Amino acid sequence: AQKVTQAQTEISVVEKEDVTLDCVYETRDTTYYLFWYKQPPSGELVFLIRRNSFDEQNEISGRYSWNFQKSTSSFNFTITASQVVDSAVYFCALSEARRGSTLGRLYFGRGTQLTVWP
Amino acid sequence: KAGVTQTPRYLIKTRGQQVTLSCSPISGHRSVSWYQQTPGQGLQFLFEYFSETQRNKGNFPGRFSGRQFSNSRSEMNVSTLELGDSALYLCASSLQSGGNTGELFFGEGSRLTVL
Repeated sequence: AQKVTQAQTEISVVEKEDVTLDCVYETRDTTYYLFWYKQPPSGELVFLIRRNSFDEQNEISGRYSWNFQKSTSSFNFTITASQVVDSAVYFCALSEARRGSTLGRLYFGRGTQLTVWP
Repeated sequence: KAGVTQTPRYLIKTRGQQVTLSCSPISGHRSVSWYQQTPGQGLQFLFEYFSETQRNKGNFPGRFSGRQFSNSRSEMNVSTLELGDSALYLCASSLQSGGNTGELFFGEGSRLTVL
């Protein structure tokens, strides 16, 4: 069974602080995909990153970086020098990648509410 | 390029009624999936459609149904509404189904309140 755990329900930081959002996943599949989505108050889920299980390279995109560690089944997300506009709920998700599997089925964590204070 | 469009954005129904929600995917996208988001259960997969065929279904009762039209637009229907059906219903579209996973693009959702 697939499961994603985001242990941090809420995080509050002050602008310019760095913040790391944790994500731990469970799957029996050897091939899978991991995602991070951002949900602002408008409700739309905004895609941030997709990582496949064979690519353990860390990735940096501007102030965002992701640390994928297969050994610990973790896919953590760090925001450097946080800004008020980063305030949102962040979701980690896992999808299967078996042949013939459904593209659209993501297993989401419960999300982490990030609040960045000015 | 227009994003995923969901209508209506907000609606209020009473118990026992039924509701139909609509989703227009990004042009060229053939796969549409639906999710229910509630404070208690989080984001849960409802179903996915590709080329007018349901490809996968989550663990929801038969009151929840959907369909996809030849232009890839999708609708979902909930019959005999219960208070617990109050939720944000999110639609997502993607280019393909199966095999190599791509990105899911989400709409802003339809917020349903059941009184």
